[in-house]
Amino acid sequence: GDSVTQMEGPVTLSEEAFLTINCTYTATGYPSLFWYVQYPGEGLQLLLKATKADDKGSNKGFEATYRKETTSFHLEKGSVQVSDSAVYFCALKSNTGNQFYFGTGTSLTVIP
Amino acid sequence: DVKVTQSSRYLVKRTGEKVFLECVQDMDHENMFWYRQDPGLGLRLIYFSYDVKMKEKGDIPEGYSVSREKKERFSLILESASTNQTSMYLCASSFFSLRYNYGYTFGSGTRLTVV
Repeated sequence: GDSVTQMEGPVTLSEEAFLTINCTYTATGYPSLFWYVQYPGEGLQLLLKATKADDKGSNKGFEATYRKETTSFHLEKGSVQVSDSAVYFCALKSNTGNQFYFGTGTSLTVIP
Repeated sequence: DVKVTQSSRYLVKRTGEKVFLECVQDMDHENMFWYRQDPGLGLRLIYFSYDVKMKEKGDIPEGYSVSREKKERFSLILESASTNQTSMYLCASSFFSLRYNYGYTFGSGTRLTVV
């Protein structure tokens, strides 16, 4: 079945460091891919998405490119801030249904 | 601003109690979902609904039931709460579409502790 695997955390970075959180997926057909962010004490918020191969989603300085050849959707940011400290979830939605499949989440802490 | 509202942020209940978690959305979404979130396990789907009075089991429905009498409201029911149901519960909603890929809108979550 469809599934998402993302890198285990926690990840701790210094402010202005480069961030990569790896995400790979297994799906039949052509899923859409998403990154969600959960700030402490809150629900999940959509960060960015890509709906077809080679699409790049971007928001708030974060980027991810839908790579069908490697079945990946890695999240990157060039210079993280303390305010980026949160849990990040990779997710996919198949094109045959309305259900999402989430990764287990990666906790990011950015220290000044 | 569009919203998914969960009625309680924190709840403490006793073992064996019947517990109701309420979720209301104001976006006229067809789809509604209940997840639980546990450390190291991510989000696991409990139940979902694509329409009023319709419900489908997710990956971990045991010990739970749901009710959707109105389009905007989706209730999760713990028939007899147990300590292993202590968790963060997240409600989400979305438009129904097999063509367009709408994301979920999540509520802020309810942290339930069963003692």
